[in-house]
Amino acid sequence: KNEVEQSPQNLTAQEGEFITINCSYSVGISALHWLQQHPGGGIVSLFMLSSGKKKHGRLIATINIQEKHSSLHITASHPRDSAVYICAVRLGVYGGATNKLIFGTGTLLAVQP
Amino acid sequence: SAVISQKPSRDICQRGTSLTIQCQVDSQVTMMFWYRQQPGQSLTLIATANQGSEATYESGFVIDKFPISRPNLTFSTLTVSNMSPEDSSIYLCSAEAGFSYNEQFFGPGTRLTVL
Repeated sequence: KNEVEQSPQNLTAQEGEFITINCSYSVGISALHWLQQHPGGGIVSLFMLSSGKKKHGRLIATINIQEKHSSLHITASHPRDSAVYICAVRLGVYGGATNKLIFGTGTLLAVQP
Repeated sequence: SAVISQKPSRDICQRGTSLTIQCQVDSQVTMMFWYRQQPGQSLTLIATANQGSEATYESGFVIDKFPISRPNLTFSTLTVSNMSPEDSSIYLCSAEAGFSYNEQFFGPGTRLTVL
């Protein structure tokens, strides 16, 4: 079993739909990252969370430390949101020295016009 | 945020040759990392590039195959040596900036195809 699991693996949505991507993990973490990877390969960091909720534009990320679960939501989705969304967890406890990230396998999102 | 550039962006290489990938950050950073992403797979950490000393390699990766340099706080190189088709991957450089605790920034990646 992978230490970081994402669901769904693939997601097709119509423009304007509300989208949720889930991430569950089985290890102790100090932070969780949501990343976006476009077809060319480059990765953009969307959020880094250690608790609660963060919002940036149409993107919202939440994390529940007790349940070891995080969600990424996209409101009013648009074809330009089409990308692979990757969840990554930072091992260790908050304030600890570790920098190691463990990555999920990603969710391929296609938003159709 | 830190902006990271990589060169080359892509390359097609022959088996048995070596390729050096450069990573440049627009500001001084505390940590730099090299990742590999094989086709259809997630990212795997190759090594942490240490400034002025030998890189710290993850299990399954060795210095002879993936020599790494980091001569200063803004630049690093990764060499993929004696390449085989199994080395065909995207190679990504990332950095962790001291001014933004624990936030990692990623480069655009180098897409390598080995024939």
